[in-house]
Amino acid sequence: NAGVTQTPKFQVLKTGQSMTLQCAQDMNHEYMSWYRQDPGMGLRLIHYSVGAGITDQGEVPNGYNVSRSTTEDFPLRLLSAAPSQTSVYFCASSYQDRDNEQFFGPGTRLTVL
Amino acid sequence: GENVEQHPSTLSVQEGDSAVIKCTYSDSASNYFPWYKQELGKRPQLIIDIRSNVGEKKDQRIAVTLNKTAKHFSLHITETQPEDSAVYFCAASMGDDMRFGAGTRLTVKP
Repeated sequence: NAGVTQTPKFQVLKTGQSMTLQCAQDMNHEYMSWYRQDPGMGLRLIHYSVGAGITDQGEVPNGYNVSRSTTEDFPLRLLSAAPSQTSVYFCASSYQDRDNEQFFGPGTRLTVL
Repeated sequence: GENVEQHPSTLSVQEGDSAVIKCTYSDSASNYFPWYKQELGKRPQLIIDIRSNVGEKKDQRIAVTLNKTAKHFSLHITETQPEDSAVYFCAASMGDDMRFGAGTRLTVKP
């Protein structure tokens, strides 16, 4: 099993550009989530999904969209990148719901100029 | 809003000593409390977790205690080793999501 995979590993954007961060898992997990990690602030939840076709907002959803058309994939879209979105982004998945071990992807380091 | 407070932000111990990290949470309905370890440049990985119907859980040198009345939980690492050096995050389930503490950077000096 590959576990949770993310692409790209690094990305540099200019202000106003849009892009999609890819996330996939092969563990048949129902629950998937996106976090951003900033220095001194831990992990903050952006969006999450409890199953295919169902998504919801987390703590810091503004400026991001998600969709969950399949159990395996959970892409995160930045609509119009801003310097405040410079961060490391982690995708995670867990069995059934959030009350189980979350398996994290390797992360995407995003810089917005 | 609902959050998780974690202390201390940095902790330095001598190899072989114990380390304790404490977290408090605000949502009395929280029922799942995991701890994650993140080495430099790596992804967070679960090291131990506890559910609200249990007061203490131990796994070799690592233990977690939970006080639901006071709404706090702690991570205890005994006989620390240099490879325990990392950032540790506590978390608590809140509603449909998970809230993380800001992290503790643990340094174990040989």
